[in-house]
Amino acid sequence: QQQVKQSPQSLIVQKGGIPIINCAYENTAFDYFPWYQQFPGKGPALLIAIRPDVSEKKEGRFTISFNKSAKQFSLHIMDSQPGDSATYFCAARRYNTDKLIFGTGTRLQVFP
Amino acid sequence: GAVVSQHPSRVICKSGTSVKIECRSLDFQATTMFWYRQFPKKSLMLMATSNEGSKATYEQGVEKDKFLINHASLTLSTLTVTSAHPEDSSFYICSALFGALTEAFFGQGTRLTVV
Repeated sequence: QQQVKQSPQSLIVQKGGIPIINCAYENTAFDYFPWYQQFPGKGPALLIAIRPDVSEKKEGRFTISFNKSAKQFSLHIMDSQPGDSATYFCAARRYNTDKLIFGTGTRLQVFP
Repeated sequence: GAVVSQHPSRVICKSGTSVKIECRSLDFQATTMFWYRQFPKKSLMLMATSNEGSKATYEQGVEKDKFLINHASLTLSTLTVTSAHPEDSSFYICSALFGALTEAFFGQGTRLTVV
C-alpha cells in the first residue's frame, strides 16, 4: 500500500514530441504528488506537484493530470527538447507526514 | 527555490575508514532533513529522517550504528558512514524541509566509492 508504481521504465521521443509518464498508487491517504527531474550525478529537483483536489495542473511545458478515482497521475511534457533528457520520478506523500514515497523512475531521452 | 548543499560531491575512501557527508540548508532553517541512498539507475531509498536536536529515525533495515546521523543545528545535518565497505559505495542524497508538510529541497548528492 506504500508503493507508487511508475511506468514506463524508459522512453525515447523525438524533439517536439509529448512524452507521458504514468504513476499509480493504492494508499488513499496520499495527499501530495510531486514530480522530480534528475540529471546524472545530481540530486532530484522538483518540477511540479499536485494535490488530489484538482484534476490538472500546468507549469510551463509540464502538466500533471490526476485521476483520483483511478488513483493514477501522469506527467506530460509538451514540446519536449533534448535538454529534457533526464530521469523523472513521481512521488507521493501521506497525509500529515513528511516522508516521500518515490516511484521507480523513468529515463527519458529526447533526440533532436 | 531554496538551496541545499552537500559536501563533498565525490569521495573515495579505503575500506575500514569512516567518511562524513555534510548537508546544509543555505537560505532557510531546516526543521527536518532526510537522507537517501540511490543505486545506479534505481530509485531513491529513504535511509533516515533527522530532526534538529533529536535522534534520527532510521528506516527498517538501515543499520544505525553504521550510518550515523547528526542534526546538530537547523542548517546542518551530517551522515557518517563508519567502517566503510565496498558495498557501501553508492550515491547519497539529502533533502531538507523548512517546515512540516512543505516542499522538499534536495542536495546535489555525494558519490561515495569505497576501495
